[in-house]
Amino acid sequence: DSGVTQTPKHLITATGQRVTLRCSPRSGDLSVYWYQQSLDQGLQFLIQYYNGEERAKGNILERFSAQQFPDLHSELNLSSLELGDSALYFCASSVQGADGGSPLHFGNGTRLTVT
Amino acid sequence: GQQVMQIPQYQHVQEGEDFTTYCNSSTTLSNIQWYKQRPGGHPVFLIQLVKSGEVKKQKRLTFQFGEAKKNSSLHITATQTTDVGTYFCAGHGGSQGNLIFGKGTKLSVKP
Repeated sequence: DSGVTQTPKHLITATGQRVTLRCSPRSGDLSVYWYQQSLDQGLQFLIQYYNGEERAKGNILERFSAQQFPDLHSELNLSSLELGDSALYFCASSVQGADGGSPLHFGNGTRLTVT
Repeated sequence: GQQVMQIPQYQHVQEGEDFTTYCNSSTTLSNIQWYKQRPGGHPVFLIQLVKSGEVKKQKRLTFQFGEAKKNSSLHITATQTTDVGTYFCAGHGGSQGNLIFGKGTKLSVKP
């Protein structure tokens, strides 16, 4: 058990809809990262938060947004969903920010299916 | 921007054979991390290399960081069926740099 909690485990929704994915980091970790993994694809970095502030942005679409709350949990919002958004979304946490080089601890992921 | 390339994409081996995956970065890395993702699972941190030319071992796994800190490798000796999964390298470019993952090498082991 990595200590990172992601909910829900599975999500099935229709095109054009909006969903929210939730992540609780490991106790003591200040950084939260979101990654997208499509079938047989690598891990695409979306966005990182450190202690409530956005630290870095990757290939995140404008239809996607995220935030980290004062209690350090994070939410990833996906709107105007398209079939191509179907993927496994991972949240990861670490003690430091990305420039600290500390290992990432991944949650079990949320599998999103857009029909 | 920084890119991390990993080869091969797939590797099929007979149980007992050795396996190696290679990772190359377009820029010098401050450190490199390796992760393993079992089928249906999430990536799990294996190790981090920081020093130029560093070599670390974990039982049958040997990790190397190149002298120029732009490439790395993971070698598994005498593979077992429990080694099945996708192995990712992730390069860190230093200050303000993010952890960039390679596309991974998917290892299958035939008993």
